[in-house]
Amino acid sequence: SQTIHQWPATLVQPVGSPLSLECTVEGTSNPNLYWYRQAAGRGLQLLFYSVGIGQISSEVPQNLSASRPQDRQFILSSKKLLLSDSGFYLCACPEKSGTQEKLFFGSGTQLSVL
Amino acid sequence: RKEVEQDPGPFNVPEGATVAFNCTYSNSASQSFFWYRQDCRKEPKLLMSVYSSGNEDGRFTAQLNRASQYISLLIRDSKLSDSATYLCVVNGRSQGNLIFGKGTKLSVKP
Repeated sequence: SQTIHQWPATLVQPVGSPLSLECTVEGTSNPNLYWYRQAAGRGLQLLFYSVGIGQISSEVPQNLSASRPQDRQFILSSKKLLLSDSGFYLCACPEKSGTQEKLFFGSGTQLSVL
Repeated sequence: RKEVEQDPGPFNVPEGATVAFNCTYSNSASQSFFWYRQDCRKEPKLLMSVYSSGNEDGRFTAQLNRASQYISLLIRDSKLSDSATYLCVVNGRSQGNLIFGKGTKLSVKP
């Protein structure tokens, strides 16, 4: 099974500063990768998913962007953070079992924009 | 109707109690259903899949009612360590998209 690495675990950034969150995956090749955000009092929201290098799909219009420079690397970025970007960011990778595709998460990054 | 709806709780129960959570979903074409557990400030972790015939894993029982579009999770003999938020998850309309409920918070007291 795969292992998902995310860093940093926590991050405090001022409004207007840039952001780069990295996710790497081990134990699988050519995985689909996802970025989710969990804001306070809200459910997990899918931000981006990628089916391969350079292939990014965005689920919601937003202040963020994503890139997939390598097969096992998925990066979430922003040029200028907003207060509303605060939240718990989770990278995820599916694992298929029979007919079901289950999602496994990295340990997440708690981002506070002040 | 929201895509996935759960009672946010909190459910405060004593050790040893039986507690049940329900979840409703709006997409009648959904085929995959899960319960995830999330501890405070941690990532969600898969608790169990939910199958049409219902399934059990130790003290946990999950059931699916397609006609009414709801799934349930029953926890028997609650332990202190069961305290967490339980997320109902259903596959969505677009590729690879799992829709997460906001979660039901469970607090098991001694």
